[in-house]
Amino acid sequence: AQKITQTQPGMFVQEKEAVTLDCTYDTSDPSYGLFWYKQPSSGEMIFLIYQGSYDQQNATEGRYSLNFQKARKSANLVISASQLGDSAMYFCAISKTTDSWGKLQFGAGTQVVVTP
Amino acid sequence: NAGVTQTPKFQVLKTGQSMTLQCAQDMNHNSMYWYRQDPGMGLRLIYYSASEGTTDKGEVPNGYNVSRLNKREFSLRLESAAPSQTSVYFCASRDGQQETQYFGPGTRLLVL
Repeated sequence: AQKITQTQPGMFVQEKEAVTLDCTYDTSDPSYGLFWYKQPSSGEMIFLIYQGSYDQQNATEGRYSLNFQKARKSANLVISASQLGDSAMYFCAISKTTDSWGKLQFGAGTQVVVTP
Repeated sequence: NAGVTQTPKFQVLKTGQSMTLQCAQDMNHNSMYWYRQDPGMGLRLIYYSASEGTTDKGEVPNGYNVSRLNKREFSLRLESAAPSQTSVYFCASRDGQQETQYFGPGTRLLVL
C-alpha cells in the first residue's frame, strides 16, 4: 500500500517570495510517480508537475520545481516568486508505475495563501 | 479540445434516490477514473477503467457502480444515495503512454 503525508495544513507566504510545500511518502513499489496538483477556490484540479522515481534530475515546470529526495522519501514542491494567483490548495499524489493502471493516492493537501 | 467534461455540475438528491454522473473525454485516453473529495481531504479513488471494456474497484467503491460506455465516456451511478455520499466527484483520464491524469471540473453532490 502507498501513503502520502502532507504535514502542513496551511501556509501564508508573501508575494514574490518562494514557498516550499512538504510531501513525504511511503511505498514498497520499486517504480512510482509523484505528482503535484493545484486546486484553486473554483474547485478544479490542475496538474503542476511530475517526477518519476527513476528520474535522475529534479523536475521543473516554470516557477514550479520538485525537490525529490528518494532516500528520504520526500517530494517537496517549491514555488518560486509567489503570485496572488498561487493561493490555492496543493495536493501531492503518488502512483505505482509497475502496472498500467495509474491509480493515484492523494495526501490531505496544504492550503497556501499568498499575501500582497 | 474540451478535455474532460462532467455533468451535472451540481445536484441535490434525497436519500434513496438514484442518479448517474456523466464523464466524457476528447483526448483519446485509454484510462479513466472516478474520485471523490470530502471536506478537508484529498481525493479518493472510487472506480477506474484501465481501458475500454474493463472496470475495477478503487479504494471506496461501496454504493457505486460504473459503466465504461465507450472509449470517451465513463459514468458513475449511485443506485440508492445516502448522506455519506455527499461529496465532490471528479472524473479523470490518462493517456497510457504518460503518467499524468487530467481532471474534469467536478460534480458537487448533496444528499439530504
